Order: sequence, then structure tokens, then C-alpha cells
Amino acid sequence: DQQVKQNSPSLSVQEGRISILNCDYTNSMFDYFLWYKKYPAEGPTFLISISSIKDKNEDGRFTVFLNKSAKHLSLHIVPSQPGDSAVYFCAASAIRAGNMLTFGGGTRLMVKP
Amino acid sequence: KAGVTQTPRYLIKTRGQQVTLSCSPISGHRSVSWYQQTPGQGLQFLFEYFSETQRNKGNFPGRFSGRQFSNSRSEMNVSTLELGDSALYLCASSQTGKSGNTIYFGEGSWLTVV
Repeated sequence: DQQVKQNSPSLSVQEGRISILNCDYTNSMFDYFLWYKKYPAEGPTFLISISSIKDKNEDGRFTVFLNKSAKHLSLHIVPSQPGDSAVYFCAASAIRAGNMLTFGGGTRLMVKP
Repeated sequence: KAGVTQTPRYLIKTRGQQVTLSCSPISGHRSVSWYQQTPGQGLQFLFEYFSETQRNKGNFPGRFSGRQFSNSRSEMNVSTLELGDSALYLCASSQTGKSGNTIYFGEGSWLTVV
């Protein structure tokens, strides 16, 4: 049973527009969520995170929104740039589970010039 | 400040052999965890070490093991390699062992089993 799901395997967006990547989770013990960007055969690069006590966190072009009641989070990238094209992973960690991350399956973002 | 360093980056092994992968965490980070990425299973947690103690373990067979040294450096070992062990193995480090810390990943070690 997948505890973290990214239901869209791919997303195509025009340069300059907003990219919205979604993530759903089922485990109510998750209290910290992270987004990573990944290129093939490379390690994930940390983008932004959010604690369960917040509903929004912003860092430059990246904003993460958390809706605890819906067990849903989203990553907004504004404006999208061609260099943003990569696979984006949502990850979650649970209270008392240390740094053990549970990952979603990833969403491939393609930003077209 | 150097990032998480993994060696070797690429290696090819034969079925039945064993392999050891090495990870140096970011300076000052005491938690090291390992992940396996395969096309079919995605990114899966292997184990986490903090202060030389294994704190969490994922759902992998006993052929997968690890350890952490007093300087926080970590190694993972896979014995009796199978074709299905071909994957990108990722090491990650974090300052503490508590949830809520940013977790940084290395570039990975790409293992091919033939």
C-alpha cells in the first residue's frame, strides 16, 4: 500500500507559466514533507520542505502548500523555466521515525520554451 | 561545505559476489540513511544510522547490511548479489536523527549486476 502518491506521472507546462505538482498521503503520522528534484542517475536535490504545523512555505519561485485535512500537498513553481524540467519527488517522514523518508513515485515535469 | 560524497559512482559486479558502498556525510551531520532506486520500485528506504546505531530498517532481505563509524561515515554491503539488485544506491545525511531536518542526498552509486 503506497503511503505517498503522486498521481500524475508527467506534466507539461509552457515557460513562464505556473507548474503545480500534487502529492497525496495516507499516513496521519507524517509530520514533515519534502520536495526533491532529480535528474537521471543523479541524487535528489532538496527544494523545499514544510512541517505539519504550517500550511504554506515559500522559497523564491517555489511554494509548498499543505492541506492536512485532505492529506494533500502541492508544489507550485512560478514562473516555470526550462531548467526546471526534471522528475520531482514528494517525500514524507513520520513522528518517531527519524529520518526515514517515504517517497512518492515522482512526476516528470517538462517546461517547454 | 562539501556535500554528501558516495564512492564508487559506478560499478559492475557478477551474480553471487558481494559489494560495499561508501558514504561520507556532510560535515557535522550525524544521521546517515540509505535508499535504493529502481525503475519498478521507485525510491525505497534501506536503513538509517545515527551515532553508529541502526535506528530504522526498511523491508529488504538480510543480504543488505550497513554500518556507521565514529566519524559518521557509513558503508552498506550487499552479499550474494542478484540481478534484481541492479539499482542506484543513494546515501543521505541529516544533522540530527529527528524528523523535521532537511535531508541531503549524495550523487549515488550505480550498481549493475550481470
